[in-house]
Amino acid sequence: LAKTTQPISMDSYEGQEVNITCSHNNIATNDYITWYQQFPSQGPRFIIQGYKTKVTNEVASLFIPADRKSSTLSLPRVSLSDTAVYYCLVAPSNNLFFGTGTRLTVIP
Amino acid sequence: DTGVSQDPRHKITKRGQNVTFRCDPISEHNRLYWYRQTLGQGPEFLTYFQNEAQLEKSRLLSDRFSAERPKGSFSTLEIQRTEQGDSAMYLCASSFGQEQFFGPGTRLTVL
Repeated sequence: LAKTTQPISMDSYEGQEVNITCSHNNIATNDYITWYQQFPSQGPRFIIQGYKTKVTNEVASLFIPADRKSSTLSLPRVSLSDTAVYYCLVAPSNNLFFGTGTRLTVIP
Repeated sequence: DTGVSQDPRHKITKRGQNVTFRCDPISEHNRLYWYRQTLGQGPEFLTYFQNEAQLEKSRLLSDRFSAERPKGSFSTLEIQRTEQGDSAMYLCASSFGQEQFFGPGTRLTVL
């Protein structure tokens, strides 16, 4: 499994755009990049997944450069309810390795 | 709601006792996963089923742990002779494609 590195924590004010970058230097050809969100006392929730370039859905965007050695999750105009832990995963769909994630705190 | 459900939500047991958790996946999902999560850490993969076949087990899954999915639907995770180090949140997830859908978890406390 490709190891990922992401910041332990981030703070942001409400209404700002938040970008969380994840490094995955050893990503394999068949690996996808997936981001999950987890609130306290809940299971993780899928946010977005991509293989290359840019992916956008109703909650986030995922930017992946051509070498795929990193990726950036972009959350537009965060609100207090976006306070959570965000995990970057690099793997095929089975046997996910979550790491410790990035704890995002949104400040009023 | 037809999401992933887990039972019980909380379990307190004494060291040395056996415990069993149940997971009911989303009905059309053929893959089912078990994870363990301790405070401040991300979920750690334990095992994975495709239909009724257990295809992968983590080294974390010692011989005190056993998981089954007898009819390819619900799954059980049993821990025998529980130890205090087994205290954690046990998460179940199911999938049909790439995205895994997680249940609320069973929080185990071993006294």
